[in-house]
Amino acid sequence: EAGVTQFPSHSVIEKGQTVTLRCDPISGHDNLYWYRRVMGKEIKFLLHFVKESKQDESGMPNNRFLAERTGGTYSTLKVQPAELEDSGVYFCASSPLTGFLYEQYFGPGTRLTVT
Amino acid sequence: DQQVKQNSPSLSVQEGRISILNCDYTNSMFDYFLWYKKYPAEGPTFLISISSIKDKNEDGRFTVFLNKSAKHLSLHIVPSQPGDSAVYFCAASGITGGSSNTGKLIFGQGTTLQVKP
Repeated sequence: EAGVTQFPSHSVIEKGQTVTLRCDPISGHDNLYWYRRVMGKEIKFLLHFVKESKQDESGMPNNRFLAERTGGTYSTLKVQPAELEDSGVYFCASSPLTGFLYEQYFGPGTRLTVT
Repeated sequence: DQQVKQNSPSLSVQEGRISILNCDYTNSMFDYFLWYKKYPAEGPTFLISISSIKDKNEDGRFTVFLNKSAKHLSLHIVPSQPGDSAVYFCAASGITGGSSNTGKLIFGQGTTLQVKP
């Protein structure tokens, strides 16, 4: 069974540009989460989808961040325009609706560098 | 305001000895606590959890202890092995502010464990 995949693995962009990160969850996982780790600090929650619906987007930093989950499958996180403080590693995680809620399966992350 | 804190950025132990990783939290509404392990260039992987109604949970070499009065939990690894070298994240989740629990995890900063052969 394939794990959570994220693309790209690394992105370097200039301040003011737009970047779109993609996450493909484990097949059949209706829960999808986005997290971010900045500069070796704690991993911070961004938002949570159940299928295609946003359940909790309380962690989204501001309106420069837009997350979508088309058809309840893969998800994208767009940052527009990017700022220096957006640099960090963006993790996606998924889990099934049944089972232990807190055992989430993480992807390897996308390292975003804004220069 | 950081609700979950891991005050030791790093820990080094000898193979075969015990590793103790610590975590403190501030929100008494958390109902589950977890430890995740992360290798370089990989995402975190779930290791072990404990419900807030328990004070100990054991899984093989890994034991998590919860002290609710002190708002403190710890992860014990016995015996430690070189393959345990990784970053360990403490996380918490639960019903906060009256909203239903969505599985949102609140992580600490992580502790880098090095187990020397």
